[in-house]
Amino acid sequence: EPEVTQTPSHQVTQMGQEVILRCVPISNHLYFYWYRQILGQKVEFLVSFYNNEISEKSEIFDDQFSVERPDGSNFTLKIRSTKLEDSAMYFCASTPRGGANVLTFGAGSRLTVL
Amino acid sequence: DQQVKQNSPSLSVQEGRISILNCDYTNSMFDYFLWYKKYPAEGPTFLISISSIKDKNEDGRFTVFLNKSAKHLSLHIVPSQPGDSAVYFCAASGWVQGAQKLVFGQGTRLTINP
Repeated sequence: EPEVTQTPSHQVTQMGQEVILRCVPISNHLYFYWYRQILGQKVEFLVSFYNNEISEKSEIFDDQFSVERPDGSNFTLKIRSTKLEDSAMYFCASTPRGGANVLTFGAGSRLTVL
Repeated sequence: DQQVKQNSPSLSVQEGRISILNCDYTNSMFDYFLWYKKYPAEGPTFLISISSIKDKNEDGRFTVFLNKSAKHLSLHIVPSQPGDSAVYFCAASGWVQGAQKLVFGQGTRLTINP
């Protein structure tokens, strides 16, 4: 069964460092998403991406965050200068079409900022 | 602004009995509701959904009930099995402020006791 893959599974970084989280969405999917879950809290929407541009972003997704689809398969989330409060699980998801409600999620990347 | 609320952070049920997980939402623009299940170290996986035009959807041991007037939905699992132990997220989808949104609740940790 097709799946969304994410790397790394866990990254530890120092505050102020740049981090790139990588995702390979399902190959025929066109819409891509990043969500995050701070420990013990709900899953929060960060950004959606379609046709090589951001279609929507939340208040959390400030200037420190960026997304990119550098080639035909990868979808990356970059945090320019990490803060302690960026520590969370980051989930990538994809859907084949817009308005589709059933997202397929990756296993997540745990980011720990020290 | 918690548009989707799961007021029980945890629930413990005896194997073989019924598990009932509850979810409330505030935005009447939501028209599609989903339950996701999450095991540790994995991403959320889609479990079952219901459209706002229905009040019940059943899939094997899982049934989702929707009460639109009360803005309440519930997930029933019967009979509960040890493998059902996981965190369950309720999610609501709809066009809100010109964009398709999928909003998650905080999750309920279900533990099935043998």
